[in-house]
Amino acid sequence: QLQLQESGPGLVRPSETLSLTCSVSGGSISGSSYYWGWIRQPPGKGLEWIGSNYFTGKAYYNPSLKSRVTVSVDTSKNQFSLKLTSVTAADTAVYFCTSDGSGSFWNYWGRGALVTVSS
Amino acid sequence: DIQMTQSPSTLSASVGDRVTITCRASQSISSWLAWYQQKPGKAPKLLLHKTSNLASGVPSRFSGSGSGTEFTLTISSLQPDDFATYYCQQYKTFSEYTFGQGTKLEIK
Repeated sequence: QLQLQESGPGLVRPSETLSLTCSVSGGSISGSSYYWGWIRQPPGKGLEWIGSNYFTGKAYYNPSLKSRVTVSVDTSKNQFSLKLTSVTAADTAVYFCTSDGSGSFWNYWGRGALVTVSS
Repeated sequence: DIQMTQSPSTLSASVGDRVTITCRASQSISSWLAWYQQKPGKAPKLLLHKTSNLASGVPSRFSGSGSGTEFTLTISSLQPDDFATYYCQQYKTFSEYTFGQGTKLEIK
């Protein structure tokens, strides 16, 4: 059973870069034809898809965030990561790492990591 | 963007009730719709995909129907574990995914 776990700073200053890592256990990123990605949820609000990276390394992003987002995969560490640049308070959210073979809906989720953007 | 609108926003029901949640798309999405259940402080859980296909391990009291722009999630007989927030998500176009705003199912 695939398990995902987010890690990274819980506080980021405005205009800086948010960086999160998702560690994968129970399966290998390089050995599976899965998509590895991120979804976020502002406190008390709904869900927003951020982006995904296929196991080959090709990335796909939400058009509304595309200019600020990078999702990358590190097969040597069996991890994938999220970088979101030039953050503002509007980027404060719980960030979930996700995975699925479909690339379009998500069977596997991490527990979520709250990131607050504040000075 | 395809906008997804769920109704109602909040639903009060009792154990054993049959409940239905509606999700409407701003344009046709064929059958490219998924449903998730989320409990407070937890990650969402996939319930159904392609409108009516149950995800692995999901009880058969959950069912989905619809096509085009109108979809429903039905729980045939509410169990205590079902009180949660439910989200629909469209995936008509690859990498242009959007979610509904959520429906909170409360105990009456």
